[in-house]
Amino acid sequence: QQPVQSPQAVILREGEDAVINCSSSKALYSVHWYRQKHGEAPVFLMILLKGGEQKGHEKISASFNEKKQQSSLYLTASQLSYSGTYFCGTTFGANNLFFGTGTRLTVIP
Amino acid sequence: EAGVAQSPRYKIIEKRQSVAFWCNPISGHATLYWYQQILGQGPKLLIQFQNNGVVDDSQLPKDRFSAERLKGVDSTLKIQPAKLEDSAVYLCASSLGARGSQETQYFGPGTRLLVL
Repeated sequence: QQPVQSPQAVILREGEDAVINCSSSKALYSVHWYRQKHGEAPVFLMILLKGGEQKGHEKISASFNEKKQQSSLYLTASQLSYSGTYFCGTTFGANNLFFGTGTRLTVIP
Repeated sequence: EAGVAQSPRYKIIEKRQSVAFWCNPISGHATLYWYQQILGQGPKLLIQFQNNGVVDDSQLPKDRFSAERLKGVDSTLKIQPAKLEDSAVYLCASSLGARGSQETQYFGPGTRLLVL
């Protein structure tokens, strides 16, 4: 039930864009995105519920494609502070989160 | 607003010893979660409480792990006896209500456990 994230790691220069994908083999009810910096707790970014919505949060947005059972996180004009590991968490109905293995994002000057 | 508090932050023990972790959720949050995060992996849910009742403990290794949430506030997670593979960060999280899949979970700083 664990979602699959891709890519596993990505290195960007400041100002570049990135896309992180999260795919599930089961029908999704919701997708949660978190960012975790080294040695710190995961920090909530956004929740997307089934219905194909898209959300934005400053220069970070996400989409949820129910038919494809996947979500994508879009980071535009990346900043140094965006560095960290991004996790998607998926739910199947009113169940708990199953987190993916993470995507390590490094932004360099 | 104070966040989720956890203690201790670090713990080193030898295998077969016992250890306990404490969590104080955000005030007013009904749901409390314990996760295990092994290095390089995403958090894995161990147990979920709603108030002082267990909602889901299907992934808790019950032969060695136990957890309780007395009075529906603080929670304690215990490992007895510990194994080498228990080395991980133990994260506590809380959410306001009980609508699992639609709730934002707020994580504490975690307890790093090293079993030698």
